[in-house]
Amino acid sequence: QSALTQPRSVSGSPGQSVTISCTGTSGDIGTYKYVSWYQQHPGKVPELIIYDVTQRPSGVPDRFSGSKSGNTASLTISGLQADDEADYYCCSYVGSYSLLFGGGTKVTVL
Amino acid sequence: EVQLVQSGPEVKKPGESLKISCEAFGYGFNTYWIGWVRQMPGKGLEWMGSIHPGDSDTRYSPSFQGHVTISVDRSTGTAFLQWSSLKASDTAIYYCARPRLQQLIVGLDIWGPGTQVTVSS
Repeated sequence: QSALTQPRSVSGSPGQSVTISCTGTSGDIGTYKYVSWYQQHPGKVPELIIYDVTQRPSGVPDRFSGSKSGNTASLTISGLQADDEADYYCCSYVGSYSLLFGGGTKVTVL
Repeated sequence: EVQLVQSGPEVKKPGESLKISCEAFGYGFNTYWIGWVRQMPGKGLEWMGSIHPGDSDTRYSPSFQGHVTISVDRSTGTAFLQWSSLKASDTAIYYCARPRLQQLIVGLDIWGPGTQVTVSS
């Protein structure tokens, strides 16, 4: 079972917006509404920033937003800040109480 | 406070066995799935499998099925990940994580600090 496909890296200047795509198949992202996104700073534990495609946990800034179209989910970071520089992982439910992560995207703030 | 406390770092030789733990605090252990996630050096997150402590229903990623065993001890509120014969390629950080809602395995919002496992001859 191959990982969901994410770009290896994206970059943007402070204040700009960046969007990270996460492409799966009709058997995962295309079928289920359970796409989540995780932020991981170097040497730190992953943190949930989006769940159920579009929902933000309490405490996560509304600069982070999620969406889905067909077999592709997306995470948009608006008003990019220095602290947003991190690795981001998408994750989809694939049925039978199983999950699949994306390969991860490194966000660089220029 | 809801938290997952993992066992400390391990250094093992190829062929040795290992069992690492994840102890849950602050919530009803039997009511939430717990998942295990691997992160190899410099690499991404990989879902290994999940277990429901209430009935020990266990699901494995095809990539890890047969290579690891996930279990729980309900009396101590602890989940385990074990290997019978380690390989150098098992060197990684292993995280346990709990989903935000009961009955679901998605939306992992509580994470343990990770256990570093190093396998080297």
